[in-house]
Amino acid sequence: SAVISQKPSRDICQRGTSLTIQCQVDSQVTMMFWYRQQPGQSLTLIATANQGSEATYESGFVIDKFPISRPNLTFSTLTVSNMSPEDSSIYLCSVPGQGKGGYTFGSGTRLTVV
Amino acid sequence: DAKTTQPNSMESNEEEPVHLPCNHSTISGTDYIHWYRQLPSQGPEYVIHGLTSNVNNRMASLAIAEDRKSSTLILHRATLRDAAVYYCIRTKGGTSYGKLTFGQGTILTVHP
Repeated sequence: SAVISQKPSRDICQRGTSLTIQCQVDSQVTMMFWYRQQPGQSLTLIATANQGSEATYESGFVIDKFPISRPNLTFSTLTVSNMSPEDSSIYLCSVPGQGKGGYTFGSGTRLTVV
Repeated sequence: DAKTTQPNSMESNEEEPVHLPCNHSTISGTDYIHWYRQLPSQGPEYVIHGLTSNVNNRMASLAIAEDRKSSTLILHRATLRDAAVYYCIRTKGGTSYGKLTFGQGTILTVHP
């Protein structure tokens, strides 16, 4: 199955700033997914990133707040813009598991906004 | 609505089997049932998935009720490393790669 490298693993940021999270996959994948996991909560899908087209955002998430880039089939970035303490969460990327029917997840980026 | 219902928590002893239940009473004929688990401080890990028949892999077994309204994830011999949050997810769209909607899951505690 695919191996995902997600960077940074954690960061502490000032409110009002932006952070870009990178997701690198060791194989080409059509779809990449970005999730948010707020403290003590389950995962929520933010958006689906397809190469060569605009990302598709889920209800409650907007491009201005969470712009996504997908320049090629192995890489994507998620930016958390104009951050507030409410954005403190773990952000994870995910890709299809290539044949086994499931998805592979990155280890996540733990973001704390102060 | 792709909702599933799981107990909030379960406990087991090491080396004993664990049966984690999941209710999906509104499931349609083309919905897949997936199980993921999330160990502390890690991203979710795929465990198993199925459509109608029972499924086995190296990690677990998935038993699907004949009417498909419920399923059970079976860990044959629990280890301390199996302590995690287990998510039962129903995916729509007739593909095993449907969109994942995570619920709160079942927190499994394994006692030595």
